[in-house]
Amino acid sequence: AQRVTQPEKLLSVFKGAPVELKCNYSYSGSPELFWYVQYSRQRLQLLLRHISRESIKGFTADLNKGETSFHLKKPFAQEEDSAMYYCAALVPFGNEKLTFGTGTRLTIIP
Amino acid sequence: NAGVTQTPKFQVLKTGQSMTLQCAQDMNHEYMSWYRQDPGMGLRLIHYSVGAGITDQGEVPNGYNVSRSTTEDFPLRLLSAAPSQTSVYFCASSYGGFPENTEAFFGQGTRLTVV
Repeated sequence: AQRVTQPEKLLSVFKGAPVELKCNYSYSGSPELFWYVQYSRQRLQLLLRHISRESIKGFTADLNKGETSFHLKKPFAQEEDSAMYYCAALVPFGNEKLTFGTGTRLTIIP
Repeated sequence: NAGVTQTPKFQVLKTGQSMTLQCAQDMNHEYMSWYRQDPGMGLRLIHYSVGAGITDQGEVPNGYNVSRSTTEDFPLRLLSAAPSQTSVYFCASSYGGFPENTEAFFGQGTRLTVV
């Protein structure tokens, strides 16, 4: 079955410290991978996706096919990074079902 | 540009009542979907649609119906509300197809309480 796993429900990090949010996937074929973020009182929005290979708000995510992981990283956490983060995956040209992980609530400690 | 619009934002229902959550998008997206968000369980797919006239079940479809008569609208119907359906509901849409078109755009959510 297609599955996205985020092992940490809660993660607290001091401001200025590095951040890593873990994501593992179990998919047949070659899924497209995403990180979505939900800031307080805002709608869920795309943070970054693997195909773009870009850095957004200082965050990057590297696809490791051997470990089937897509961890989200930022070298220096900022208070505005506090939010709910979801890893997600789908298979393009398929049924377009976007499967989400259970989410990690990141809190940046001032 | 309104994007994805959900109504209502809040709703309280009594057990056994029925209602429809509305979702509309103005981006001419083919793909639309409904999710529910519960603490510790992330977002779970209820139903989805790959185009007008085509719908299919997601992970947790029981107790919900959908239809897609137009590209723009994708209403979610609760047939007989139960306390287990207390949740936050999100509608999403995307172009689909090519990987660069797969970004999902979300509505602001509907917080539903069933008492």
